[in-house]
Amino acid sequence: SQQGEEDPQALSIQEGENATMNCSYKTSINNLQWYRQNSGRGLVHLILIRSNEREKHSGRLRVTLDTSKKSSSLLITASRAADTASYFCATSDTGRRALTFGSGTRLQVQP
Amino acid sequence: DTAVSQTPKYLVTQMGNDKSIKCEQNLGHDTMYWYKQDSKKFLKIMFSYNNKELIINETVPNRFSPKSPDKAHLNLHINSLELGDSAVYFCASSQGAGGQDEQFFGPGTRLTVL
Repeated sequence: SQQGEEDPQALSIQEGENATMNCSYKTSINNLQWYRQNSGRGLVHLILIRSNEREKHSGRLRVTLDTSKKSSSLLITASRAADTASYFCATSDTGRRALTFGSGTRLQVQP
Repeated sequence: DTAVSQTPKYLVTQMGNDKSIKCEQNLGHDTMYWYKQDSKKFLKIMFSYNNKELIINETVPNRFSPKSPDKAHLNLHINSLELGDSAVYFCASSQGAGGQDEQFFGPGTRLTVL
């Protein structure tokens, strides 16, 4: 079953702007991960946030996790054309030895 | 020095045929996975192996049979291919079992069944 629902499904912004993507999930989790997929390529891991963490940074990426609302957000600051890709959240559910991926957000950054 | 590699990248075949996709990782990871990504980009786990032992089989038809000759390889054999099998198949690996660690993905194999 699909765990994560991502919002928005598609996002188009200008270079230099910030992009925010949201992910909601349904069950208890061990961690939540964000991945990027460029067109025609495999997924690349961006960041992992554990259930006892609330915020994590990596370069221009900022991820928040609210376990009470079962939601996470990914913020990309000062976006670049090279950030154009699909972004997926994935949850590691308690008691299940697999990641469950969301439906993805397609981000288009206009130069 | 590709971390996770898959062959072939593209596979076009007729309904009813049998085909295989190969996957190799040189990261020394203990766990490998097969995922299927459909036309709507929805990614779903199919199988997971930890140290050559099957740990996840997500209600995949038994026409799909994974084989792990060693922990660096996880191949996927598909019998009697159907139109609905058309998708992109991704191999991935991680150090730990399950979703505890980041996963490293291969470039994908686009399977088209005619």
